[in-house]
Amino acid sequence: DTEVTQTPKHLVMGMTNKKSLKCEQHMGHRAMYWYKQKAKKPPELMFVYSYEKLSINESVPSRFSPECPNSSLLNLHLHALQPEDSALYLCASSQETLGREGYGYTFGSGTRLTVV
Amino acid sequence: AQTVTQSQPEMSVQEAETVTLSCTYDTSESDYYLFWYKQPPSRQMILVIRQEAYKQQNATENRFSVNFQKAAKSFSLKISDSQLGDAAMYFCALIQGAQKLVFGQGTRLTINP
Repeated sequence: DTEVTQTPKHLVMGMTNKKSLKCEQHMGHRAMYWYKQKAKKPPELMFVYSYEKLSINESVPSRFSPECPNSSLLNLHLHALQPEDSALYLCASSQETLGREGYGYTFGSGTRLTVV
Repeated sequence: AQTVTQSQPEMSVQEAETVTLSCTYDTSESDYYLFWYKQPPSRQMILVIRQEAYKQQNATENRFSVNFQKAAKSFSLKISDSQLGDAAMYFCALIQGAQKLVFGQGTRLTINP
């Protein structure tokens, strides 16, 4: 299995809702990442998990809460989002933590989130 | 700080022709990795090709090749025999040391039949 699987593919949520995005990989990768991508822009890093521990938080608002229950699974919990949080949320994984990773990241297809 | 610049927001090419996408970068390190990612309308970021900075030989993957000029900090992507399926957003990216993967602003490539 050489894929990163993200669910759901599309999500529409109200500003008072609580929802979660899910990301799964079975490649034995030890680093996992959440990115946010606005239209016609490059992905922006949000969080990095290394060996199931949060290693980087790019000053993301607390309405986004990441979780890594095990080495194969990464969640992003959403609460009280704003319309400007509407974007494509991409999950990625890599064999090693940043800096020792020369093989690039494997990305999922993303979740298209719309906040109404 | 590391930066990646793609100066061509959009490019177009006739099917079966060759196109080159430009990328320049800035880094203070001598050991780093460079990548080209492709993002089609399906949204998934797909790794096209990678280059290790300490290797002088330009990377090649089938119809895709790079021109890596380390002194000039340039990393262009050449696509030969362009196909309709090559139409996508292409991102140049750099990773060094214990830093995050940094992307350029992207180049949207259109293939004309």
